[in-house]
Amino acid sequence: GQSLEQPSEVTAVEGAIVQINCTYQTSGFYGLSWYQQHDGGAPTFLSYNGLDGLEETGRFSSFLSRSDSYGYLLLQELQMKDSASYFCAVRSGNTPLVFGKGTRLSVIA
Amino acid sequence: NAGVTQTPKFQVLKTGQSMTLQCAQDMNHNSMYWYRQDPGMGLRLIYYSASEGTTDKGEVPNGYNVSRLNKREFSLRLESAAPSQTSVYFCASKGGGTYNEQFFGPGTRLTVL
Repeated sequence: GQSLEQPSEVTAVEGAIVQINCTYQTSGFYGLSWYQQHDGGAPTFLSYNGLDGLEETGRFSSFLSRSDSYGYLLLQELQMKDSASYFCAVRSGNTPLVFGKGTRLSVIA
Repeated sequence: NAGVTQTPKFQVLKTGQSMTLQCAQDMNHNSMYWYRQDPGMGLRLIYYSASEGTTDKGEVPNGYNVSRLNKREFSLRLESAAPSQTSVYFCASKGGGTYNEQFFGPGTRLTVL
């Protein structure tokens, strides 16, 4: 089977940097994705890592280490609008994405 | 280009009633999915359709049925609703892009009394 672990809640200060970790167990690993979901909204795609290393998209970066079965999402220059839930998701073989339970990020002034 | 649309947005049912949740996408995607989301449980896959004419069970299929009506539409049916099916239901679709990105509909908030 597949499983993912991520913290349930994280709180950070506006303007700061926060890292949300994700560890996974799966066979036939292809890649790790991150999705953002605001309260009452739908999940939206943020990033994808198929290879080891850092992918940067504006204030958001995502990292993957396949040997450690570990990845993280890094949010810089936090803004109040970044308060949301963040989900990591694993792609393995031809099976659908498996999502973690999500990390609720609260950005405080 | 509407993306993924879902109807209805909200629904209240009584135990034992049936209903169908509708989903359509206009991105010419092959794969479509139905998830339910409960507090603290993340997104759990109910059923999916890798291509038109095929459907497969996900993690939590009991109590549900699906129909892939054509490439655009994928419906989810509750034959006899139970309070345990109170949840937010999301439909999603996926094309063949590099990032394996899924596009989600706005969700249906279902309450079963």
